[in-house]
Amino acid sequence: QSVLTQPPSASGTPGQRVTISCSGSSVNIERNGVNWYQQLPGTAPELLMYSYDQRASGVPDRFSGSKSGTSASLAISGLQSGDEADYYCATWDDSLDGVVFGGGTKLTVL
Amino acid sequence: QVQLQESGPGLVKPSQTLSLTCTVSGDSISGAVDYWSWIRQPAGTGLEWIGRIHISGNTNYNPSLKSRVTMSVDTSKNQISLKLRSVTAADTAVYYCGRGTAPDVWGKGTTVIVSS
Repeated sequence: QSVLTQPPSASGTPGQRVTISCSGSSVNIERNGVNWYQQLPGTAPELLMYSYDQRASGVPDRFSGSKSGTSASLAISGLQSGDEADYYCATWDDSLDGVVFGGGTKLTVL
Repeated sequence: QVQLQESGPGLVKPSQTLSLTCTVSGDSISGAVDYWSWIRQPAGTGLEWIGRIHISGNTNYNPSLKSRVTMSVDTSKNQISLKLRSVTAADTAVYYCGRGTAPDVWGKGTTVIVSS
């Protein structure tokens, strides 16, 4: 079981908006910035968002991040087939003294 | 543009030591970023942070792996290294190195299979 909880799957149709949640606690998400990663099939993860809501270089503004208390969210608007991927959240955990990842969410574009 | 390349044996026998190297190009390992990390991903599952190393040599390891892991840095070669002792089949995974604690740049990964 992961310290950070993500839904195992999410889906949407082209053009729709989807949101992926990442639930943590007061020793990780609430006090430390969250990164979001996109992993396309057969490739290494790539940074999408950092510090909750900052887009990494080259990431379109269809992607946005937010934080509320001990949870963070990634929203993707104008969904495209190329967005089909696994998405992971990650942050520093003060209790474990290390980085923790969510279990990942597989996004399907119907 | 910074690039990271993992290298090492693709097959390791049970109980032996897994040794990997990450070579950084396009940036100095002693540059603006202080930490470099290792992450692994067993087939079909999620990401697991193994640990990080500061350019000074200070380390933080995943508590679940701490007793078996050693990381080191060689600034003259622009490399970081990972050693994982007493491996079992559960250590079979793709191993990634990354720039930063929760990395902003990742290597392509290298597959390590633990099998006799």
